Amino acid sequence: AQRVTQPEKLLSVFKGAPVELKCNYSYSGSPELFWYVQYSRQRLQLLLRHISRESIKGFTADLNKGETSFHLKKPFAQEEDSAMYYCALKSLGATNKLIFGTGTLLAVQP
Amino acid sequence: NAGVMQNPRHLVRRRGQEARLRCSPMKGHSHVYWYRQLPEEGLKFMVYLQKENIIDESGMPKERFSAEFPKEGPSILRIQQVVRGDSAAYFCASSPPVYNEQFFGPGTRLTVL
Repeated sequence: AQRVTQPEKLLSVFKGAPVELKCNYSYSGSPELFWYVQYSRQRLQLLLRHISRESIKGFTADLNKGETSFHLKKPFAQEEDSAMYYCALKSLGATNKLIFGTGTLLAVQP
Repeated sequence: NAGVMQNPRHLVRRRGQEARLRCSPMKGHSHVYWYRQLPEEGLKFMVYLQKENIIDESGMPKERFSAEFPKEGPSILRIQQVVRGDSAAYFCASSPPVYNEQFFGPGTRLTVL
């Protein structure tokens, strides 16, 4: 079964500290993985996708097929990074549906 | 481009009533997806539509739920005879004909009394 697991409901760090938001997946085949972010009172938006291998707002995520993980990292957290983060997997087949994890609330303390 | 629009943003219904949720995709987008988020859970896929066609409804409950995306006008998610368990946030997303990403609307929060 296809599944995305985000083990932490809440991650609280101080400004300037490193951040790692965990995401593990279960999938048969080559996955396509995404991180979405939802800032307070805003809509869900794409942060990054693994196939782009890009860094957005200082965040990176590397697909580790051996560990079936796609953790989101940032070396120095900023207060404006406080938001809800969702890891998502694009489903097998042509339907493009996304399978989401339950989300992690990142709180960056001043 | 105003982005994906959903209305109403908040909807209150009593048990047994009907709920109609509307989604207007971004300009040029012909694909629409509906997701439901129950409290303390992630978004769960419900249905994927293209204009006048349901492509994948594998996440739709078998009864009381239906969706359409007519040639003209918004996509509609319809819930008949609502129950308390239908209380959730319902999100719509759209994508262009050649898929690159899904753009999400602000959601409709349905409360069933």
